[in-house]
Amino acid sequence: QLQLQESGPGLVKPSQTLSLTCTVSGGSINSVSYFWTWIRQVPGKGLEWLGFVFYRGNTSYNPSLKDRLTMSVDTSKHQFYLKLASVTAADTAVYYCARFCSGGNCLVGGVRSWGQGTLVSVSS
Amino acid sequence: DIQLTQSPSSLSASLGDSVTITCQASQDIRNYLNWYQQKPGKAPNLLIYDSSNLETGVPSRFSGSGSGTDFTFTISGLQPEDFATYYCQHYDNLPSITFGQGTRLEIK
Repeated sequence: QLQLQESGPGLVKPSQTLSLTCTVSGGSINSVSYFWTWIRQVPGKGLEWLGFVFYRGNTSYNPSLKDRLTMSVDTSKHQFYLKLASVTAADTAVYYCARFCSGGNCLVGGVRSWGQGTLVSVSS
Repeated sequence: DIQLTQSPSSLSASLGDSVTITCQASQDIRNYLNWYQQKPGKAPNLLIYDSSNLETGVPSRFSGSGSGTDFTFTISGLQPEDFATYYCQHYDNLPSITFGQGTRLEIK
């Protein structure tokens, strides 16, 4: 059973960079069938897709955040990463890492595996 | 970018009722539309994929329909565990996806 686990600081100061790690277990991160993704949720608000990273390192970002986002992957560590620069209080949210099927031997289009989410607060 | 307009934003209903949520896309997304349920403090859970296909293990009281720009999600015979927030999500523009704003379903 695939498991994803977010980790990283729960508190980040304004203007600094938010950095999170997602560790993948119970399945391969080296799959052509999946995009690894970050999705966030401001408390009391809806879901916001941040971006995808493919195991080869290709990325696709939400246009509204692309200037501040960097996603990467380290297949040897079974981890992928999120960096969000120049954070403000508006970036306070629960951040989820997840797996999205992009084709091949899975049902395309849905997010079926999620981490439990980690709350990151932006405050001085 | 393709926008999804989900309505209503909140809804009150009683046990046993049937409820319908709509999701309208700003342009044709074929049937590339999914529905999720999210309970407080939990990650979302995929219920319906490709507009009308029930995810394995999801009760048959949940259903979805639609194609193009207009989609509906229905729960027939509300159970206590169904009171949650529901989101639509499209993937017609890979490699990007978008979620609707969500519908909070509350007990009347």
